[in-house]
Amino acid sequence: SQQGEEDPQALSIQEGENATMNCSYKTSINNLQWYRQNSGRGLVHLILIRSNEREKHSGRLRVTLDTSKKSSSLLITASRAADTASYFCATAYIGTGFQKLVFGTGTRLLVSP
Amino acid sequence: GAVVSQHPSWVICKSGTSVKIECRSLDFQATTMFWYRQFPKQSLMLMATSNEGSKATYEQGVEKDKFLINHASLTLSTLTVTSAHPEDSSFYICSARRLGDEQFFGPGTRLTVL
Repeated sequence: SQQGEEDPQALSIQEGENATMNCSYKTSINNLQWYRQNSGRGLVHLILIRSNEREKHSGRLRVTLDTSKKSSSLLITASRAADTASYFCATAYIGTGFQKLVFGTGTRLLVSP
Repeated sequence: GAVVSQHPSWVICKSGTSVKIECRSLDFQATTMFWYRQFPKQSLMLMATSNEGSKATYEQGVEKDKFLINHASLTLSTLTVTSAHPEDSSFYICSARRLGDEQFFGPGTRLTVL
């Protein structure tokens, strides 16, 4: 399986703290994306980082990418209770001519008020 | 822009029946659509990739006769779960992609087979 691994599997923090999630993948990629999923709902696209980028910011989100280590991290600063969700990384690679996404195992984040 | 819808949002059916799930790109033409399955507390697993007007490409281990995919137009793809069984109960999510663009995900369909 080419599925990536995320750690931790679960993370519980207090509001205001920072949350860091890590993602490791196996193949050469075109880009890496992070998604959020609230329980039983669809995916919300958070941020995309291309293979030639090392760091990207979007609001309270900071994503890093280390292609030599095949890893990425997502940092959520000053977390809020509304950030409680599952977070998935997804890597895009060229498979049979399409740009398939392979999702990581996910991190379940719980932010307590 | 880039909104993808799925219908129905949830469905309950009896074992042995077939269920059709629709995926529509509402405000753009999708060159490629993808179907994923997600079991509780697990990640999304790609089931198949489909291009408009051509046969779907299934991932290893996914039965093409069990999960029929039709991509009839640039805005509509359907997934039919044939002769559904309780083990097919899952959350099915589609995504649609414009040429050279990212994937946009639908809200998902919860299938429960009794």
